[in-house]
Amino acid sequence: KAGVTQTPRYLIKTRGQQVTLSCSPISGHRSVSWYQQTPGQGLQFLFEYFSETQRNKGNFPGRFSGRQFSNSRSEMNVSTLELGDSALYLCASSNRTSGLYYEQYFGPGTRLTVT
Amino acid sequence: DQQVKQNSPSLSVQEGRISILNCDYTNSMFDYFLWYKKYPAEGPTFLISISSIKDKNEDGRFTVFLNKSAKHLSLHIVPSQPGDSAVYFCAASVLGGGADGLTFGKGTHLIIQP
Repeated sequence: KAGVTQTPRYLIKTRGQQVTLSCSPISGHRSVSWYQQTPGQGLQFLFEYFSETQRNKGNFPGRFSGRQFSNSRSEMNVSTLELGDSALYLCASSNRTSGLYYEQYFGPGTRLTVT
Repeated sequence: DQQVKQNSPSLSVQEGRISILNCDYTNSMFDYFLWYKKYPAEGPTFLISISSIKDKNEDGRFTVFLNKSAKHLSLHIVPSQPGDSAVYFCAASVLGGGADGLTFGKGTHLIIQP
């Protein structure tokens, strides 16, 4: 079974620009979560999508948004980029259904650098 | 306010000995705990998990212990091997989703010395 794939792997953007990151989950997984990893804050939860609906959201400003398509692929968008948005963005998929324990399987991440 | 804490940023252990990684949490609503391992330039890889109804879970060389009264969990690796050198993240979750997804600690860098 192919793992979680994320594109692009590396990205350099300028302050004020916007960026879109893509994630393809493991086949059959309907839940996709996004995380931001920075040296200072560690891994922080951004949001989770399940069946094209945002199910959970972390404590991030509205500049961070996402969506999920009918094939479970997900995109994450950051508008009006700030220097502090430089981070590794990780996508994770799971076969989680409501109320059950689950493990998340992570992709390799997209390294975003904002200059 | 960090709800999941890994107080040791790094840990050095000799090959063949036991590695013990510790994690503390503050949110009593957490009822499912996981350990992930991360190599550079790769995403975290799931290792082992435990629900709050148990106090121990074993999988090969890896054992996770949960002490609910102390809000503490630990990961034991026996015996430690060179390939175990990586960053280990402790994570916690609330059954039924909760608003926060998985809450991670900041990680412990485990170094296995030959």
